[in-house]
Amino acid sequence: KQEVTQIPAALSVPEGENLVLNCSFTDSAIYNLQWFRQDPGKGLTSLLLIQSSQREQTSGRLNASLDKSSGRSTLYIAASQPGDSATYLCAVRPEDSNYQLIWGAGTKLIIKP
Amino acid sequence: NAGVTQTPKFQVLKTGQSMTLQCAQDMNHEYMSWYRQDPGMGLRLIHYSVGAGITDQGEVPNGYNVSRSTTEDFPLRLLSAAPSQTSVYFCASSVAGVGIYEQYFGPGTRLTVT
Repeated sequence: KQEVTQIPAALSVPEGENLVLNCSFTDSAIYNLQWFRQDPGKGLTSLLLIQSSQREQTSGRLNASLDKSSGRSTLYIAASQPGDSATYLCAVRPEDSNYQLIWGAGTKLIIKP
Repeated sequence: NAGVTQTPKFQVLKTGQSMTLQCAQDMNHEYMSWYRQDPGMGLRLIHYSVGAGITDQGEVPNGYNVSRSTTEDFPLRLLSAAPSQTSVYFCASSVAGVGIYEQYFGPGTRLTVT
């Protein structure tokens, strides 16, 4: 059964630092992996989607990588800002899932001014 | 283009009451689903649909019913609310098809059952 883990559960860093959030999954048979952002009391905003054939995707200050063979993805945030404070979730779509996404519990990120 | 919309945003129910959470999308997506989010856990799939008239159970379907009479709407019904159903509920949609399509999420409904 596919399981997705995000460590750490919470992270606090000073503004301006570059940082990496981690996501690991147990079964490499996936179609894609998505990173989402969730602000308190709000919905989910899709940040990046990486297809299984891709190694990375970039959007502005965000870069997500995917290593299927090792079951890992990282979300790199450059030059962090207080507005980046949110919970970051990763989700994989397994090949046998019938569209279901399997989710990590998220990393709560706080950027200190 | 409103994307995925959900109503209500907040709801408080008493144990045993029933209600329907509404979800609509205007992107002509075949696939729609409902997830629940509980503290410290990943989102879990309740029910999903791959087109009008077609629904199936996800990981945690007990206590919930769905129907899909149109492409646009996918309501989630709580038959007899229980405190264990206190959660945040998200509706999602995407183009149906193998593998590659991104899923879009609504803003969520925060439900409290007392």
